[in-house]
Amino acid sequence: DVKVTQSSRYLVKRTGEKVFLECVQDMDHENMFWYRQDPGLGLRLIYFSYDVKMKEKGDIPEGYSVSREKKERFSLILESASTNQTSMYLCASRGLYNEQFFGPGTRLTVL
Amino acid sequence: AQSVAQPEDQVNVAEGNPLTVKCTYSVSGNPYLFWYVQYPNRGLQFLLKYITGDNLVKGSYGFEAEFNKSQTSFHLKKPSALVSDSALYFCAVRDMRSGANNLFFGTGTRLTVIP
Repeated sequence: DVKVTQSSRYLVKRTGEKVFLECVQDMDHENMFWYRQDPGLGLRLIYFSYDVKMKEKGDIPEGYSVSREKKERFSLILESASTNQTSMYLCASRGLYNEQFFGPGTRLTVL
Repeated sequence: AQSVAQPEDQVNVAEGNPLTVKCTYSVSGNPYLFWYVQYPNRGLQFLLKYITGDNLVKGSYGFEAEFNKSQTSFHLKKPSALVSDSALYFCAVRDMRSGANNLFFGTGTRLTVIP
């Protein structure tokens, strides 16, 4: 089975802090994704990556950056956290038939 | 422009009754369609997909979905609901805007199965 893990389930940070969210997948997938999930808005794509060191902006990239130094790891970075970035963050990797496999999510609260 | 609509925020159904969670889509070209389920405080789990072939697709946990091209719909169904089916359900369509085959998600439908 594909396994996608995320470094934290719950995270509390203060406004202005730099935040790193880590995601690791074990299926050698090339494409990885970061979403945020908010009630009533569904999932919105922040960034995605085709392969190592390759990244593309999604629909809501403002305030975020990403890093993909190794194929299995895709990191989401909040350079200076703000309260409107309080959300559930979901990482996914894409399988052979376009289905995406999700991690358990990180619920981030910015105070 | 492509879009996915889940017209119902909430669906309630009695245990043992059939359930339907609705999804309509708008894409250019042939759609790749997906259903995911999310249990409380968990990530999304893949249920089923339609890419080509039979319009009735069978997936995990006894769920199935019917692709209807003329109505641009992909409704999720189950003949007999279980209390454990209570969760948040997302419909998704392949995003044709990029080469990475992103998924574009609906806003979700919360299913509650009443004992």
